[in-house]
Amino acid sequence: DAGITQSPRHKVTETGTPVTLRCHQTENHRYMYWYRQDPGHGLRLIHYSYGVKDTDKGEVSDGYSVSRSKTEDFLLTLESATSSQTSVYFCAISESQRQGDGYTFGSGTRLTVV
Amino acid sequence: GNSVTQMEGPVTLSEEAFLTINCTYTATGYPSLFWYVQYPGEGLQLLLKATKADDKGSNKGFEATYRKETTSFHLEKGSVQVSDSAVYFCALSDSGNTPLVFGKGTRLSVIA
Repeated sequence: DAGITQSPRHKVTETGTPVTLRCHQTENHRYMYWYRQDPGHGLRLIHYSYGVKDTDKGEVSDGYSVSRSKTEDFLLTLESATSSQTSVYFCAISESQRQGDGYTFGSGTRLTVV
Repeated sequence: GNSVTQMEGPVTLSEEAFLTINCTYTATGYPSLFWYVQYPGEGLQLLLKATKADDKGSNKGFEATYRKETTSFHLEKGSVQVSDSAVYFCALSDSGNTPLVFGKGTRLSVIA
């Protein structure tokens, strides 16, 4: 989607190294989310943000941290990557969390930890 | 807590066959329900939604009806095409100002 971009699209990294994934939006939406997608698990929420400097944990937050210093950027950091963090990571945005408001997703980042 | 259960995949159909993908949910309140679609190599896209009981969401020939009595939101299409091959996710949002909850996804393959 043109209003949300993720970078990089692909990354291979070594176990134990730090990795930062970036999500950038041009829609000025308040809410931003990081999900990971794995076979057999579907989409699982890692962290989300409800405003600048306001973040909260999702169901699989261990090993991940996030930061949001500007409305348009939401960063996901793996402090010390492990093989279990090999996954496809999706960022999503939404204008609100009112019922009925859907999300717009980015194209994903495929991360491989070797 | 809130949860969504989808039928296990993969589902393989011939072109022009009828499609049903089952979705049931558990929620404490009266959630809104969604179907998202993910084409190969892409992110998820909203396919359709329904915000209250008995509402029918529809888009691109797909339909789903919000059934409160059976807590279901099954996705249907009368005649599938090869281009419908994708992964389909059912999701819900409740009234508690919390993020969307997704099912595990159902992979659909349509063969010519």
